[in-house]
Amino acid sequence: KAGVTQTPRYLIKTRGQQVTLSCSPISGHRSVSWYQQTPGQGLQFLFEYFSETQRNKGNFPGRFSGRQFSNSRSEMNVSTLELGDSALYLCASSATTSRGSETQYFGPGTRLLVL
Amino acid sequence: QKEVEQDPGPLSVPEGAIVSLNCTYSNSAFQYFMWYRQYSRKGPELLMYTYSSGNKEDGRFTAQVDKSSKYISLFIRDSQPSDSATYLCAMNVGGSEKLVFGKGTKLTVNP
Repeated sequence: KAGVTQTPRYLIKTRGQQVTLSCSPISGHRSVSWYQQTPGQGLQFLFEYFSETQRNKGNFPGRFSGRQFSNSRSEMNVSTLELGDSALYLCASSATTSRGSETQYFGPGTRLLVL
Repeated sequence: QKEVEQDPGPLSVPEGAIVSLNCTYSNSAFQYFMWYRQYSRKGPELLMYTYSSGNKEDGRFTAQVDKSSKYISLFIRDSQPSDSATYLCAMNVGGSEKLVFGKGTKLTVNP
């Protein structure tokens, strides 16, 4: 079974621009979560989508947004990029159980550099 | 106080050593506990997942959870150079996808 895929793998943008990152979850997984990883803050939760609806949201400004499509693929968008947005953006997918989702599997990430 | 505390290391051990990695947490609502391994320039890879207090073993890896002390551990036996990576603990509340991570411990196993 193919793992979580993310595109693009690397991006260079300038301040003020916007960026869209894409994530394809493991086949059959309906939940997709996004995380930001930086050396200073570590891995921080951005948001989670399930069946095209945002279920959870982390403490990030409104410049960070996302969406999920009917095939469970997800995109996240960052508008008006700032230097501090430079990070590894990770997508994770999970299957749901009767107790709720239990394990998340991560993609390789998109490394974003803002100049 | 951060919800999850993890000593960032770095930790350097000789090949064959037993490695102990630890995290403490403050939120008693956490029910699920995970350990991820992350190689440089890669995404985190799920190593161990536990739900209840006690030990769970998988090959050379043992995960230990002590909910009364809010303390989790990962033990690696017979460590190998290929185990050199950053190890991240993560946990969440039941029914929520939001994982809260420790900062990660960088481990180097020297041949």
